[in-house]
Amino acid sequence: QQQVKQSPQSLIVQKGGIPIINCAYENTAFDYFPWYQQFPGKGPALLIAIRPDVSEKKEGRFTISFNKSAKQFSLHIMDSQPGDSATYFCAAQAGTALIFGKGTTLSVSS
Amino acid sequence: DGGITQSPKYLFRKEGQNVTLSCEQNLNHDAMYWYRQDPGQGLRLIYYSQIVNDFQKGDIAEGYSVSREKKESFPLTVTSAQKNPTAFYLCASSTIRQGLNSPLHFGNGTRLTVT
Repeated sequence: QQQVKQSPQSLIVQKGGIPIINCAYENTAFDYFPWYQQFPGKGPALLIAIRPDVSEKKEGRFTISFNKSAKQFSLHIMDSQPGDSATYFCAAQAGTALIFGKGTTLSVSS
Repeated sequence: DGGITQSPKYLFRKEGQNVTLSCEQNLNHDAMYWYRQDPGQGLRLIYYSQIVNDFQKGDIAEGYSVSREKKESFPLTVTSAQKNPTAFYLCASSTIRQGLNSPLHFGNGTRLTVT
């Protein structure tokens, strides 16, 4: 019930491609869905977040799509660049409980 | 610059020794957290604290201990009881606001290797 399932585990795209990372959850009490970006040897940093009353949110080249009925949300990266190569974590929060997915390692080749 | 400082970046210890990881924040955040990161496992919560002198166990607290004597500091001790302590440890902090979720701010981690 508390899990957040993230896929794929790894992803390789060419520069300019649109990688998509998917997450699914079971607990309907979750009311905040952030995405974190982590570069090697660094801590994760908040990338973008969405609440369940919104179906889509864009910030620059990053877009979250949210499907409340399916309990799924996804991250799209438009016009991906080699500098986007990193590990991406989705998460879901209810109160003080923040549950992370297991992460997706993205590699963008030039 | 405001942020979270974790030290040291790399730490090596012999099996059977306790080791303490430092975490300091100057963001004036009330809440602080410790996560453990293993390859392919995501981030798992060890302990968190929402106020000085109070803390709660997370999902994998066994073999770890914490203290919160100051708002700015939340050290983590990895004890000899932790069966598999080699990992990347991340400290984070956040504000606590009624009715709103606050994002976590992470430090750059400490990589602990126990042999």
